[in-house]
Amino acid sequence: QVQLVQSGAEVKKPGASVKVSCRASGYTFTSYPLHWVRQAPGQGLEWMGWINTDNGNTKYAQTFQGRVTITRDTSASTVYMELPSPRFDDTAMYYCARGDGYKPLEDWGQGTQVTVSS
Amino acid sequence: DIQMTQSPSSLSASVGDRVTITCRATQSINTYLNWYQQKPGKAPNLLIYDASNLQSGVPSRFSGSGSGTDFTLTISSLQPEDFATYYCQQSGSTPYSFGQGTKLEIK
Repeated sequence: QVQLVQSGAEVKKPGASVKVSCRASGYTFTSYPLHWVRQAPGQGLEWMGWINTDNGNTKYAQTFQGRVTITRDTSASTVYMELPSPRFDDTAMYYCARGDGYKPLEDWGQGTQVTVSS
Repeated sequence: DIQMTQSPSSLSASVGDRVTITCRATQSINTYLNWYQQKPGKAPNLLIYDASNLQSGVPSRFSGSGSGTDFTLTISSLQPEDFATYYCQQSGSTPYSFGQGTKLEIK
């Protein structure tokens, strides 16, 4: 069965890079894009961006353009989401999710809590 | 960018009630509209895709309808496990925006 397993919780100081991983299994990794979705404490879901796992092309929401980098390692069937310089308001739960173009986010990782605190 | 607006933001209902949540897009998204259920501390779970298609394993009391800009999610007879937050999401164009959520609470 499809599984998306994310890395563990992170606590970072403002400006200290954080990188969250999402390891996929149960399907051909390069056949489906992977997305990242953020959920701030007590708030709704916010689509951050996605990566074409075959060619590495990415697309980001305007809010996250220049502030987040999504990459992939096909040999490890893993996608990464990096915040190079996180701010206090980047404290949130971050989810990866699998979904093809025009399709829903059918499978989700368990979420990774990122806390930015001084 | 397409904005998604859900109503109501919160809703109190009783077991057995029929409830409807609406979602409106700022421009036509055909039927590229999905509904998710999220329970506290858990990842969202896909309920309905392409406006009206029931995801495998989801109980038939959930249904969706609509096209263009206006959509609805209906739960025909609320069960205790249905009390959660519901989100619509459009997948017609990036960014794949979500509605702000509807929190369904027990009356």
